[in-house]
Amino acid sequence: AQSVTQLDSQVPVFEEAPVELRCNYSSSVSVYLFWYVQYPNQGLQLLLKYLSGSTLVESINGFEAEFNKSQTSFHLRKPSVHISDTAEYFCAVSDPFGQGGSEKLVFGKGTKLTVNP
Amino acid sequence: DGGITQSPKYLFRKEGQNVTLSCEQNLNHDAMYWYRQDPGQGLRLIYYSQIVNDFQKGDIAEGYSVSREKKESFPLTVTSAQKNPTAFYLCASSIAYRGTSNYEQYFGPGTRLTVT
Repeated sequence: AQSVTQLDSQVPVFEEAPVELRCNYSSSVSVYLFWYVQYPNQGLQLLLKYLSGSTLVESINGFEAEFNKSQTSFHLRKPSVHISDTAEYFCAVSDPFGQGGSEKLVFGKGTKLTVNP
Repeated sequence: DGGITQSPKYLFRKEGQNVTLSCEQNLNHDAMYWYRQDPGQGLRLIYYSQIVNDFQKGDIAEGYSVSREKKESFPLTVTSAQKNPTAFYLCASSIAYRGTSNYEQYFGPGTRLTVT
């Protein structure tokens, strides 16, 4: 079965510093990859996704992620973070082994990003 | 605006009582999902449904039940058999596979259930 590992449970950084949130998944077959963001006591919002094509995908608020098939990774990066980026970030991967054609996503356990002034 | 609504935002119940969490979507999505979120454990799938009148157990279905009588609605009942029901519950939906889907899920705002 597919699994997702987010290597860091918490990442504290200072404002305007660069950040990288790491995500690795287990299956090397074709997958779809997602990063979601969750602010306190809210649902998850899609940040960016990789479906096909260019391996570098970008969000509207300056985040980017690169799909690396050989390393089965999809790390999230931002060159300069803001206080407002403080949130929990979840990596998710489509499950190619989903029973009956079901479209399940497998989520990592999340990384809490805290941006300090 | 299209989206997913969950009500209520906060719910309090006494131990031993069943409680039903509401989830409604107007995105015309076929598939719907219920997740449970606990600190440090990420999202765990409780139940999912790909079409009306059909649903499957997820990874932690014990102590929960669902129904899918309408495309728009997927209520979750937390029964008294659930040993540790206090958690944040998230509902999501997606376009079911018809050769056009990409697995992207859309989430509701969540319901925080506290059982004492």
